Amino acid sequence: DTEVTQTPKHLVMGMTNKKSLKCEQHMGHRAMYWYKQKAKKPPELMFVYSYEKLSINESVPSRFSPECPNSSLLNLHLHALQPEDSALYLCASSQDSRDRGFSGANVLTFGAGSRLTVL
Amino acid sequence: DAKTTQPNSMESNEEEPVHLPCNHSTISGTDYIHWYRQLPSQGPEYVIHGLTSNVNNRMASLAIAEDRKSSTLILHRATLRDAAVYYCILRDFGGSQGNLIFGKGTKLSVKP
Repeated sequence: DTEVTQTPKHLVMGMTNKKSLKCEQHMGHRAMYWYKQKAKKPPELMFVYSYEKLSINESVPSRFSPECPNSSLLNLHLHALQPEDSALYLCASSQDSRDRGFSGANVLTFGAGSRLTVL
Repeated sequence: DAKTTQPNSMESNEEEPVHLPCNHSTISGTDYIHWYRQLPSQGPEYVIHGLTSNVNNRMASLAIAEDRKSSTLILHRATLRDAAVYYCILRDFGGSQGNLIFGKGTKLSVKP
């Protein structure tokens, strides 16, 4: 299995709702990532997990709350979002530099994304 | 990570080769050169990477200048499906985890 699966593909939510985005991979990768992509812009890194521990938070507002319950799953919990948070949210995974046999190149595999619209 | 510079857009004809340039004059000795592409309405996908030598895979070839300050992604026969934004990214060996940072990329259009 060489895929990263993201659900849902589309999500519409109000500013007072609480929702979650989910990401799953079965490649044995121990590093997982969340990126945010606005229309016609490159992806921007939000969070990085390494061995289920948050290793990087790129100063993301607390209304975005990541969670890595196990090595295959990554969630992004959403609460009290603003319309400007509407974007494509991309999940990715890769080997971790602590992995046995780490190749050094650290290629990322991305999911197809979850398109979020905040009303 | 060191910065890369790419043209904003390029155009190609179907079935012809495409050469996508990338400048990275401040590359360090431990930086890998990665290329990803993003097709419309999809997540980015890995294309190829290299360190010093030219590389070939089923998708493309990567030509790296001798001084490593520039590289070129070569699509040997462009198809309509190759229309995408192509990102050239430098990634430190050892995978400092946060540093797959995307620049603006090159939007490739392919004409039938």
